[in-house]
Amino acid sequence: AQTVTQSQPEMSVQEAETVTLSCTYDTSESDYYLFWYKQPPSRQMILVIRQEAYKQQNATENRFSVNFQKAAKSFSLKISDSQLGDAAMYFCAFASGTYKYIFGTGTRLKVLA
Amino acid sequence: DAGITQSPRHKVTETGTPVTLRCHQTENHRYMYWYRQDPGHGLRLIHYSYGVKDTDKGEVSDGYSVSRSKTEDFLLTLESATSSQTSVYFCAIRPGGHTEAFFGQGTRLTVV
Repeated sequence: AQTVTQSQPEMSVQEAETVTLSCTYDTSESDYYLFWYKQPPSRQMILVIRQEAYKQQNATENRFSVNFQKAAKSFSLKISDSQLGDAAMYFCAFASGTYKYIFGTGTRLKVLA
Repeated sequence: DAGITQSPRHKVTETGTPVTLRCHQTENHRYMYWYRQDPGHGLRLIHYSYGVKDTDKGEVSDGYSVSRSKTEDFLLTLESATSSQTSVYFCAIRPGGHTEAFFGQGTRLTVV
């Protein structure tokens, strides 16, 4: 069975600084997808970034980028130039070809002014 | 918001009563999901559907049933609510051609 592990329950970052959230996963599949979702206090789940396992190049979306290490089964999220609006819960998620999404337990990010 | 509407948004119910949560989508997507979110557990899959009358269990399906009699509606039923089912419930869809899921706004259910 696939699992997703987020080992940092809470992180803090100073405004304008960079922070990295960790995620590891376990699977025997070779083809799969990885995601980071953001959940602000509004409770809405918002897709931040996605990565296809067959792509070696790390995905980037503006200030958000990932470090995808397939052999190590690691998928970390880097947030550059952190803003107050980045404060939220962040969930790492995995999906294989069955498209059953498996989520980690989340990391709460605090942004300090 | 990907055209997903969950109802109700909030509900308080008593232990032992049946409860049905509704997820409605406007764009005829095949794949629909029900998740529950609890502190320390993230989101866990309850049931999912890949078409009308095609459903399957997720990792936390005990005590829940689902129905999908038409494409746009996916219903989650708690046959006899228990306090352990107090949670926030999310519906999600996966549009064709997309790898990611899109989520509804969630339903906060409290069982007292």
